[in-house]
Amino acid sequence: EVQLLESGGGLVQPGGSLRLSCAASGFTFSSHAMNWVRQAPGKGLQWVSLISGNGDIIDTADSVKGRFTISRDNSKSTVYLQMNSLRADDTAIYYCARDQNRGDLSTYDYWGQGTLVTVSS
Amino acid sequence: SSELTQDPSVSVALGQTVRITCQGDSLRRYYASWYQQKPGQAPVLVIYGKNNRPSGIPDRFSGSSSGNTASLTIAGAQAEDEADYYCNSRDSSAYHVVFGGGTKVTVL
Repeated sequence: EVQLLESGGGLVQPGGSLRLSCAASGFTFSSHAMNWVRQAPGKGLQWVSLISGNGDIIDTADSVKGRFTISRDNSKSTVYLQMNSLRADDTAIYYCARDQNRGDLSTYDYWGQGTLVTVSS
Repeated sequence: SSELTQDPSVSVALGQTVRITCQGDSLRRYYASWYQQKPGQAPVLVIYGKNNRPSGIPDRFSGSSSGNTASLTIAGAQAEDEADYYCNSRDSSAYHVVFGGGTKVTVL
């Protein structure tokens, strides 16, 4: 059974940092691109970042570029999101999502339950 | 970067058919995927590619695409189909991905 378990969320002050983790199980982790998608309270889904299976393709939304960095450790079946210089508008539930491997890098067939990040003083 | 536009809300009578649309330039090149999200839950993939359903998704869900518009149709809507529905696709910029704003489906 495919499982994605996010952790690392919490309350952080503006300008602070957090590192989110997403531990995967139930599939060959290195064969799938992984993504972070966020959802601000009462708002829609927003793609944040993706990393290919071997890490050679990385892309990040313009709204967080230069502040957020995605990475992965295939030996631990875990994908990370390092978030620096956090702002109030980064407050959201952060989901990790597995790419289905169709080649379009935008079909997410499994999602974690999300971890809440709150940026507030 | 591109945008995907969805109607904010739509309602459908129980057992009737509803179509949700998603418009954007990226859809001329890429297929949309569709996700269902119920309150307090993570999104669930319901349609991908030309018209494919993941295992476990009822066949009352179908997808289509023409030009810059992708559509999700629920034929014979059930009470449990009441949810927010989001489309997404690859963007024209590098490997960016874009989501639509979501459509809230109410089953009357």
